[in-house]
Amino acid sequence: AQTVTQSQPEMSVQEAETVTLSCTYDTSESDYYLFWYKQPPSRQMILVIRQEAYKQQNATENRFSVNFQKAAKSFSLKISDSQLGDAAMYFCAYRSAFNTGTASKLTFGTGTRLQVTL
Amino acid sequence: KAGVTQTPRYLIKTRGQQVTLSCSPISGHRSVSWYQQTPGQGLQFLFEYFSETQRNKGNFPGRFSGRQFSNSRSEMNVSTLELGDSALYLCASSVQDRVSDTQYFGPGTRLTVL
Repeated sequence: AQTVTQSQPEMSVQEAETVTLSCTYDTSESDYYLFWYKQPPSRQMILVIRQEAYKQQNATENRFSVNFQKAAKSFSLKISDSQLGDAAMYFCAYRSAFNTGTASKLTFGTGTRLQVTL
Repeated sequence: KAGVTQTPRYLIKTRGQQVTLSCSPISGHRSVSWYQQTPGQGLQFLFEYFSETQRNKGNFPGRFSGRQFSNSRSEMNVSTLELGDSALYLCASSVQDRVSDTQYFGPGTRLTVL
């Protein structure tokens, strides 16, 4: 079974600064998808960024980028120019690329609570 | 395009009762998945429906069930509620059932069991 580990329960960043959230995962599969979701106090889970394991290029979405290290099974999220609205719980998630069994499910980490200060 | 909607947003029940939660996916989305979020267990997969068929099921007791209608709307039911069923229940939809499809989440239903 796949597991996702987020070792930073809480992180803090000053507005306009850069912060990196860590995520490691364990899998024996070679093809999969990785995601970062943001859950603000409203509890709505919002997709931040996704990465296909077969792509070597790191995904970017505006101020959000990832550092995907497949051999190390590491998938960190970098938030640049942090804004007050970035304050939320961030979840790293894994999804198998094999369309069998429970492959369609997302396996989540325990989350990192990000605080943004003035 | 409207997002995933879930009703009701908040629900209070007592032990032993049953509850039904509803999820309306994004228009055009045919796959619906359900997750349970608790402080102790985090986010856990409940089940997934596609074309009115349950494709996958997580490790939950039979008290948890669901269904999907022809318009892709989905309901989940929890019978004989226990205190431990108190949680945020999240529904997510995707276009089809391909693993490459991204899942988009609704705002959740907060269930409190007293």
